[in-house]
Amino acid sequence: NAGVTQTPKFQVLKTGQSMTLQCAQDMNHEYMSWYRQDPGMGLRLIHYSVGAGITDQGEVPNGYNVSRSTTEDFPLRLLSAAPSQTSVYFCASSSGTRPLHFGNGTRLTVT
Amino acid sequence: GQQVMQIPQYQHVQEGEDFTTYCNSSTTLSNIQWYKQRPGGHPVFLIQLVKSGEVKKQKRLTFQFGEAKKNSSLHITATQTTDVGTYFCAGRGGSGNTGKLIFGQGTTLQVKP
Repeated sequence: NAGVTQTPKFQVLKTGQSMTLQCAQDMNHEYMSWYRQDPGMGLRLIHYSVGAGITDQGEVPNGYNVSRSTTEDFPLRLLSAAPSQTSVYFCASSSGTRPLHFGNGTRLTVT
Repeated sequence: GQQVMQIPQYQHVQEGEDFTTYCNSSTTLSNIQWYKQRPGGHPVFLIQLVKSGEVKKQKRLTFQFGEAKKNSSLHITATQTTDVGTYFCAGRGGSGNTGKLIFGQGTTLQVKP
């Protein structure tokens, strides 16, 4: 039972580069979300999805795109990385209003 | 938009002392969840409160949901070194399954042995 799988675990990008953070869950959860964690800022919601084909913006969506073509996958795209996007990114999923299951996180550094 | 504020940001206690973290939302919540994150780890679910005025206990941890469903607290009695970590509250507004979950800033607890 893998739960929520995030890849990669670590990534270093140069300013302006693009990349996709992958997130997959095998629990048939309809709700998936992306958070970024910065010191003193807690967990801030970037984007979320309540089902395949449905996405919505969270608190800090600028600079990030998402799509939800399947129930299992919810990738997060950085089109043009900026140093301000240096952070730890967590993907999380849940069924309805039940607790979130988090992935192990991706530590991203943009130089 | 929905905001969830959590205080204090940091708390240092001597082992055996009590600890409390408070969570306040700008809007009425349908439910509130509490998570714990150990250093270097990911948040792990502790409990969910749904009803107005609800109180739940897990061993030394006591969770409360305010009557107006806009605030909550977590109280730890007689802290132990295993309690070290960051505690987050997360509020879900909206209705039913479509409400997004917004986290507070977290309270980082340090326990001196």
